[in-house]
Amino acid sequence: AQSVAQPEDQVNVAEGNPLTVKCTYSVSGNPYLFWYVQYPNRGLQFLLKYITGDNLVKGSYGFEAEFNKSQTSFHLKKPSALVSDSALYFCAVRDDNTDKLIFGTGTRLQVFP
Amino acid sequence: DAMVIQNPRYQVTQFGKPVTLSCSQTLNHNVMYWYQQKSSQAPKLLFHYYDKDFNNEADTPDNFQSRRPNTSFCFLDIRSPGLGDAAMYLCATSRDGRRGNEQFFGPGTRLTVL
Repeated sequence: AQSVAQPEDQVNVAEGNPLTVKCTYSVSGNPYLFWYVQYPNRGLQFLLKYITGDNLVKGSYGFEAEFNKSQTSFHLKKPSALVSDSALYFCAVRDDNTDKLIFGTGTRLQVFP
Repeated sequence: DAMVIQNPRYQVTQFGKPVTLSCSQTLNHNVMYWYQQKSSQAPKLLFHYYDKDFNNEADTPDNFQSRRPNTSFCFLDIRSPGLGDAAMYLCATSRDGRRGNEQFFGPGTRLTVL
């Protein structure tokens, strides 16, 4: 069965520092991986996805993610964090059998000034 | 701008009083989804429509129903809301069911049950 794991409930980083939000996945076929961000009392916003091709995927708001097949990871990164990046981040994988999105448990990112 | 719209943004209802949440989209997407999200947990899929084809999740309570009268609109009906149904309800769309297509979410409706 497909699954994603976000091992950190919360990540704290100082503004201007690089940030990483971790995600590992388990799939039986080719992975279709997504990152979403959720601000308080808002819906989820799509950040980026990996389907095939380059392992480094660039997305919205300066975020990028690195697909690593050998480590089955898809970590979200940003070179320089902003206070406004503080939000809840969800990693998701598309289920091979049902095409549904399977979400991780979410990681709360807190960027301190 | 093309978007997913949910109304109302906040809904208060009484225990057992039926409530309807609405979702509309200007993206002309074929697939529409309803999710339930509780207190910063991962969204839980309730059901989805591929065009007019309705797909119910096995663990979605019978208390939850949905209608999609046309491509643009989709409704979530909660026939007899309980306290445990208080949550954020998210509507999402995708162009089609292909695995590489991302889903576009509306802002959500926060339901309070008194």
